[in-house]
Amino acid sequence: EPEVTQTPSHQVTQMGQEVILRCVPISNHLYFYWYRQILGQKVEFLVSFYNNEISEKSEIFDDQFSVERPDGSNFTLKIRSTKLEDSAMYFCASRGVRGPYNEQFFGPGTRLTVL
Amino acid sequence: TQLLEQSPQFLSIQEGENLTVYCNSSSVFSSLQWYRQEPGEGPVLLVTVVTGGEVKKLKRLTFQFGDARKDSSLHITAAQPGDTGLYLCAGVNTDSWGKFQFGAGTQVVVTP
Repeated sequence: EPEVTQTPSHQVTQMGQEVILRCVPISNHLYFYWYRQILGQKVEFLVSFYNNEISEKSEIFDDQFSVERPDGSNFTLKIRSTKLEDSAMYFCASRGVRGPYNEQFFGPGTRLTVL
Repeated sequence: TQLLEQSPQFLSIQEGENLTVYCNSSSVFSSLQWYRQEPGEGPVLLVTVVTGGEVKKLKRLTFQFGDARKDSSLHITAAQPGDTGLYLCAGVNTDSWGKFQFGAGTQVVVTP
């Protein structure tokens, strides 16, 4: 069964460093998302991406964040200068065609730890 | 911002008992999803409800979408230890690009 994959599973970085989180969405999906979940808190929307551009973003997604689909399969989230408060689980999700069911499938997540 | 409130936050029951988890909002959603999340893993989709009043069953799990599409419930019959997990509801409005608003989740613990 097709699934969303994410790498790495765990990333440890020093404050101020750049990190790139990688995702491979389900192959025929067209809509891509990043969410994050700080430990003990709810899952929060970061950004949605369609047709090679950002379609919607949250207040969390400031200038330190960027997303890219560098080729036909990968979808990346870059944090330019990490802060302690960026420590969280980051989930990628993808969706097929737009419609009422809007079912999104999530990857297993990348745990980012900023020291 | 459409807020989803889940209740209760935590539920501990014995194997064989029934339980109901609620997801409420003051906003209308075009669809609502229920997910289950294990520690350190991503949410796993259980069901999607779209139509007001819709009821869906997944084995011992029954999901209902409120008539006004503002609330939903998840009922588990004869719970088993394998049902233990964090149950999340997430709503979306078709005016957006599929952005989900998640509830905080209900942690369910089923003891043998």
